[in-house]
Amino acid sequence: DAGVTQSPTHLIKTRGQQVTLRCSPISGHKSVSWYQQVLGQGPQFIFQYYEKEERGRGNFPDRFSARQFPNYSSELNVNALLLGDSALYLCASRAPHFSMNTEAFFGQGTRLTVV
Amino acid sequence: QKEVEQNSGPLSVPEGAIASLNCTYSDRVSQSFFWYRQYSGKSPELIMSIYSNGDKEDGRFTAQLNKASQYVSLLIRDSQPSDSATYLCAVISRDGSGGSNYKLTFGKGTLLTVNP
Repeated sequence: DAGVTQSPTHLIKTRGQQVTLRCSPISGHKSVSWYQQVLGQGPQFIFQYYEKEERGRGNFPDRFSARQFPNYSSELNVNALLLGDSALYLCASRAPHFSMNTEAFFGQGTRLTVV
Repeated sequence: QKEVEQNSGPLSVPEGAIASLNCTYSDRVSQSFFWYRQYSGKSPELIMSIYSNGDKEDGRFTAQLNKASQYVSLLIRDSQPSDSATYLCAVISRDGSGGSNYKLTFGKGTLLTVNP
């Protein structure tokens, strides 16, 4: 089975532009979470979706939005990009049921550079 | 107080030694705890999960959990140069919305270097 897949792997954008990142979870997983990781820090929680509903939001501005599709894939959108949005964006997939005792598996990430 | 705190490191150990990585967390109702390994430029890789007090062993790795002290640790026995990476402690915690939602919260990570 394929793991979590993210696209694109690398992206360069200009300040003020908009970006869309994509994630496909492990087959059978219904929960997808998004994280931002800047250099030297641990991943920071952005959003969690389960069964196409938002089930958690981190402390990020409204420029960040996400959605989950009927096939459980997900998109993360960031508008009006700032230099500080440059980071590794990670998508995590969790087991079919929404439970605290489930493990999260990460995709390879999207490296976003804002210039 | 930060939700998940780890030794800032870097931690340097000789090959064959035991590496000890520590983590404390602030949310007393947390139930699930994880250790991830992250090589430079790569994404986090799950290496251990632990849900009950005590020790859990998997090969050269042992996770230890003490919920009363809000403390979780990872021991790596017979450390190898290939173990050199950043180790992230992660805890399931409430997302602060007051509902049933939760999130996976990470520490900053501890950089481990195993010297040949």
